[in-house]
Amino acid sequence: EAGVAQSPRYKIIEKRQSVAFWCNPISGHATLYWYQQILGQGPKLLIQFQNNGVVDDSQLPKDRFSAERLKGVDSTLKIQPAKLEDSAVYLCASSNRHPNYGYTFGSGTRLTVV
Amino acid sequence: AQSVTQLGSHVSVSEGALVLLRCNYSSSVPPYLFWYVQYPNQGLQLLLKYTSAATLVKGINGFEAEFKKSETSFHLTKPSAHMSDAAEYFCAVSPRGKLIFGQGTELSVKP
Repeated sequence: EAGVAQSPRYKIIEKRQSVAFWCNPISGHATLYWYQQILGQGPKLLIQFQNNGVVDDSQLPKDRFSAERLKGVDSTLKIQPAKLEDSAVYLCASSNRHPNYGYTFGSGTRLTVV
Repeated sequence: AQSVTQLGSHVSVSEGALVLLRCNYSSSVPPYLFWYVQYPNQGLQLLLKYTSAATLVKGINGFEAEFKKSETSFHLTKPSAHMSDAAEYFCAVSPRGKLIFGQGTELSVKP
């Protein structure tokens, strides 16, 4: 089966600009996650979707970050305006089973804010 | 709250030597535990998972981990390191379907 697709792979923007990341999960996977991985740290969950509904966005900085999953398939994560501390790898993951069995990650988008 | 602690941000071993990466967890309920590996510029790949079945879990690429409730540990081992094992390794716990990761351990393998 095809994996979790993410684009772009790399993005460099200036602070205060906006940026969007796209994720296409594995076909049929109902649950989709966005993680933020800052250099030298483990990934941190930003938001979890079940189909097109939000399950958990408690760690999403809602003043600047937003995410949507239209029609329960693809998802977009947006940052507006970006700050220097947003420089990180943004990972998307999806699962079609009970999440406690683990899920499949995409290759991520590396964002550099200058 | 559930969490994991990985002891040692960097581990270096010689090729052919034993690999031991340490992970301790805190959880008020029986946990689901995972080890993931991340190669440079790639996403996370599942190595193995503990879901309350056998306490000794075998994963891919010759890795295994043992769940020890009395020690709240889930250390990752491999009998003989290979150059291709060089990567970042993350331990994670899953409370209600959300993975909480440790800080990661970078494994270097010397020829």
